Amino acid sequence: SQQGEEDPQALSIQEGENATMNCSYKTSINNLQWYRQNSGRGLVHLILIRSNEREKHSGRLRVTLDTSKKSSSLLITASRAADTASYFCATDGGFSGGYNKLIFGAGTRLAVHP
Amino acid sequence: DARVTQTPRHKVTEMGQEVTMRCQPILGHNTVFWYRQTMMQGLELLAYFRNRAPLDDSGMPKDRFSAEMPDATLATLKIQPSEPRDSAVYFCASGVAAGFGYEQYFGPGTRLTVT
Repeated sequence: SQQGEEDPQALSIQEGENATMNCSYKTSINNLQWYRQNSGRGLVHLILIRSNEREKHSGRLRVTLDTSKKSSSLLITASRAADTASYFCATDGGFSGGYNKLIFGAGTRLAVHP
Repeated sequence: DARVTQTPRHKVTEMGQEVTMRCQPILGHNTVFWYRQTMMQGLELLAYFRNRAPLDDSGMPKDRFSAEMPDATLATLKIQPSEPRDSAVYFCASGVAAGFGYEQYFGPGTRLTVT
């Protein structure tokens, strides 16, 4: 079963605009991670935000986490055509059964048009 | 530039045949994950290894799938016999502890088609 659910499922924007993707989850987490997947490729880790953090930045990426609402958002500012990809949130429920298990959502497909 | 490698990148086989997928994790990573990705199910965890020991393979159909890590540089996922419903992209990922959890580094995947 999937823990994280991304919203929207698909997003189409023009270059230069900002893109915001949301992720909601159901149970308590240890950390939440965002990954990007280009068509036909493996997933690439973007950013990890711990449960005791509220906001994190990495270049043009800004991630927020609201544990009271069990939600996270990924903001990509000044988007570029190269940002076209699927974006996944993954929740880490903590150390259980000997390891930290990531559960991935279904992803948001982002298309950035020149 | 360290990366996870997977072979083969593409595999087409007939139902009933054995399929072996291989993964070389990033040197120094002590955790290895196998995932399967399909349009219908998304990304599913099949198996997890730490220090070469399998800690969780609950996501894997036991009757036909097996995962091993014969040494620190090689992880294998085997399907025997393969079925059309096994058609998917299989990803290997290796991980390194990052504070409270693991960042995972994914390989390029093996696209499996079973006819």
